[in-house]
Amino acid sequence: RKEVEQDPGPFNVPEGATVAFNCTYSNSASQSFFWYRQDCRKEPKLLMSVYSSGNEDGRFTAQLNRASQYISLLIRDSKLSDSATYLCVVSSGYSTLTFGKGTMLLVSP
Amino acid sequence: GAVVSQHPSWVICKSGTSVKIECRSLDFQATTMFWYRQFPKQSLMLMATSNEGSKATYEQGVEKDKFLINHASLTLSTLTVTSAHPEDSSFYICSAWPNEQFFGPGTRLTVL
Repeated sequence: RKEVEQDPGPFNVPEGATVAFNCTYSNSASQSFFWYRQDCRKEPKLLMSVYSSGNEDGRFTAQLNRASQYISLLIRDSKLSDSATYLCVVSSGYSTLTFGKGTMLLVSP
Repeated sequence: GAVVSQHPSWVICKSGTSVKIECRSLDFQATTMFWYRQFPKQSLMLMATSNEGSKATYEQGVEKDKFLINHASLTLSTLTVTSAHPEDSSFYICSAWPNEQFFGPGTRLTVL
């Protein structure tokens, strides 16, 4: 079983749509959770951390379910600029990050 | 946020040559830097953890004699791909850690 699993997509949505990505992780000792965004041929950039209580940053909402080892990202009112690959990232301790393969999102006019 | 640079941004070389990639933290000191590799449509895979003033820690399956890491100062880590072969062609990304991982822009290596 892969450590961090994501649906690779692509998710094709029109502008203004709401889209949700899911991720599961296998290491129950994982302590920190993140969503990163990666544009084509670029480095990943931190989108947001994910907390058990859930957190929101503008149009983006992240949720964590530790019991199910499941993380989600919801994007509301999609913009063309949201087109990218979204990486689910898990850390089990100091600084070591484990990346999922990413979910590709394509937002069309 | 903190800035991490990489040089070169891309390199094309012949099989058998060695390639050095530099990773610099521009506005902070980093005792620890990380080197990742990403093949097309694959996830970033940690290759090694680079520690200033000591030997790097390599992940399982990564040949330390092939991927030489030197972290001689608090702002510079280098990765040298020795005797590169076409299967080493990949996107190499470094990151540094002041409270969170900041990634460099990556180096795209193509070995002919």
